[in-house]
Amino acid sequence: DTAVSQTPKYLVTQMGNDKSIKCEQNLGHDTMYWYKQDSKKFLKIMFSYNNKELIINETVPNRFSPKSPDKAHLNLHINSLELGDSAVYFCASSQGPDRHGYTFGSGTRLTVV
Amino acid sequence: AQTVTQSQPEMSVQEAETVTLSCTYDTSESNYYLFWYKQPPSRQMILVIRQEAYKQQNATENRFSVNFQKAAKSFSLKISDSQLGDTAMYFCAFSTQGGSEKLVFGKGTKLTVNP
Repeated sequence: DTAVSQTPKYLVTQMGNDKSIKCEQNLGHDTMYWYKQDSKKFLKIMFSYNNKELIINETVPNRFSPKSPDKAHLNLHINSLELGDSAVYFCASSQGPDRHGYTFGSGTRLTVV
Repeated sequence: AQTVTQSQPEMSVQEAETVTLSCTYDTSESNYYLFWYKQPPSRQMILVIRQEAYKQQNATENRFSVNFQKAAKSFSLKISDSQLGDTAMYFCAFSTQGGSEKLVFGKGTKLTVNP
């Protein structure tokens, strides 16, 4: 039973398209995150939601829109995809670093051509 | 703002030997958490070890241990009896206390264990 699951694992799309990545966690955590890992493997926070409420939005272009229908789900929608959006996107969840730490999904490799 | 620095982009070690990966961080917080994550070629992010800043005792998990020097803001990872399966990217990360705090990552160290 996967704790944090992301779909799809791979996504290849053309510039200008709109795409979504879905994330679900079955850990009962209150907080969910999106991280972006660039081609140099650097990981950076994009968004976090706590119990469906947006907490962190780190200077991400507004073409990226997270949506949390409930605290177990955090989806990422990307409009008008650009070549520079190619990266691996990780979903994660947490009940706080003082409890269980952070659990990551297996990542979605997005390739924009 | 918190920053995490890993000064070794790549390292290699012979199987069964010991290797230490370096990490330094900068923060004005007094309560925080430090982590080492492993990312093998499968891409999965795997928690290796976690250290609470208020604990003086260094964390250990089997072959993995840390040397936490709070005053120096240093958090190195020692891998003993290195195994081929330890080949991966290793990320040092920092988080402040609180339910919604983000992880701030270093740029990673690529570790290769040679047979």
